[in-house]
Amino acid sequence: EVQLVESGGGLVQPGGSLRLSCAASGFKFSSFWMHWVRQAPGKGLVWVSRINSLGSSTTYAESVKGRFTISRDNAKNTLYLQMNSLRADDTAVYYCAQIRGGGNESPYWGQGTLVTVSS
Amino acid sequence: DIQMTQSPSTLSASVGDRVTITCRASQSIGSWLAWYQQKPGKAPKLLIYKASTLESGVPSRFSGSGSGTEFTLTISSLQPDDFATYYCQQYNSDSTFGQGTKLEIK
Repeated sequence: EVQLVESGGGLVQPGGSLRLSCAASGFKFSSFWMHWVRQAPGKGLVWVSRINSLGSSTTYAESVKGRFTISRDNAKNTLYLQMNSLRADDTAVYYCAQIRGGGNESPYWGQGTLVTVSS
Repeated sequence: DIQMTQSPSTLSASVGDRVTITCRASQSIGSWLAWYQQKPGKAPKLLIYKASTLESGVPSRFSGSGSGTEFTLTISSLQPDDFATYYCQQYNSDSTFGQGTKLEIK
């Protein structure tokens, strides 16, 4: 059974940093590209970042470019999102999602981890 | 960046109704479009991918169509479990979601 479990969320002050993790199991993690997607309270889904299977290619939404870094450790079956210079509008539930091979849709998602940026 | 515009934002319907949600892309995305259902406090669930392919395990009352810039999600006969929020996602260039359509009980 595919499982994605996010962790690392919490309360952080504006300008602070946080690293999210997504532990993957039930599939060959090293073969799949992965997304981070976020959802502010009461709002819609927003794509944040994507990484290829090797970790050698990454893309970001304009709103987080230069502040967030996606990475992965295939030996640990774990995806990361390093978030720096956090702002109030980064407050959201952050989901990791598997990208299906051969397409880019996401059949598997984690349960999400809440990041709150507030003083 | 590719922008995705969904309509309507809110849709009120009754059990048994046929409903259609539209998603428009700001430029052609071929058939690289997915539809998701989300319920409060839960992760999104994939319904349709490549514009019209039904995800395994999803009821056949859900269908998708379109290509290029215009896409639709149709639910042929609403069931109580279908009242939720629906999102389109383009994945032709990075990824973008529509703003969502909340399907409410009339």
